[in-house]
Amino acid sequence: LAKTTQPISMDSYEGQEVNITCSHNNIATNDYITWYQQFPSQGPRFIIQGYKTKVTNEVASLFIPADRKSSTLSLPRVSLSDTAVYYCLVTPFQTGANNLFFGTGTRLTVIP
Amino acid sequence: DGGITQSPKYLFRKEGQNVTLSCEQNLNHDAMYWYRQDPGQGLRLIYYSQIVNDFQKGDIAEGYSVSREKKESFPLTVTSAQKNPTAFYLCASSVTGTGGETQYFGPGTRLLVL
Repeated sequence: LAKTTQPISMDSYEGQEVNITCSHNNIATNDYITWYQQFPSQGPRFIIQGYKTKVTNEVASLFIPADRKSSTLSLPRVSLSDTAVYYCLVTPFQTGANNLFFGTGTRLTVIP
Repeated sequence: DGGITQSPKYLFRKEGQNVTLSCEQNLNHDAMYWYRQDPGQGLRLIYYSQIVNDFQKGDIAEGYSVSREKKESFPLTVTSAQKNPTAFYLCASSVTGTGGETQYFGPGTRLLVL
């Protein structure tokens, strides 16, 4: 089971770019990196997923270096509504094959 | 609308009582999961099922039971053996797309002990 390490909390002002880094030293060759967002009293929501280099969608960007031992979630121009907990997971290619590790995540607070 | 529904939103359990949390999905996903979340903590896996009529224990299965008689449904029973059941319970289902596994979560059920 590949575990991840990420900062417990971060603060940012509105309109700034936020980068959350995640360490996953034991990532396996077939594993992907997936990020989820969770608001209070709601289920986590998928944000982005990648295998290597850079992935971008309408919400965020994900940067993965060549050794894949870490990854960085980038949220451009955050707003108050981005205040949430962000989880970094190492996820297997095969559905339901493994126990996913949701750590405590990174609690992002966006300040007006 | 496709998605995962959980009911009820809030559930109260009396001492010694078994309670069942409902989880239904119409996403045609094969795999389904139950997680428990305590305040300020991450998610911990209780049970998961990769296919109908089959399920596996997660990290904290003691005091819980599940069934998977239909692809769409994965109910969780919190038995009287679970001594500290107060928590937020999340159900999820998953599909493998072009990349790795992606899980879709329901809105959750908050269980409180009277």
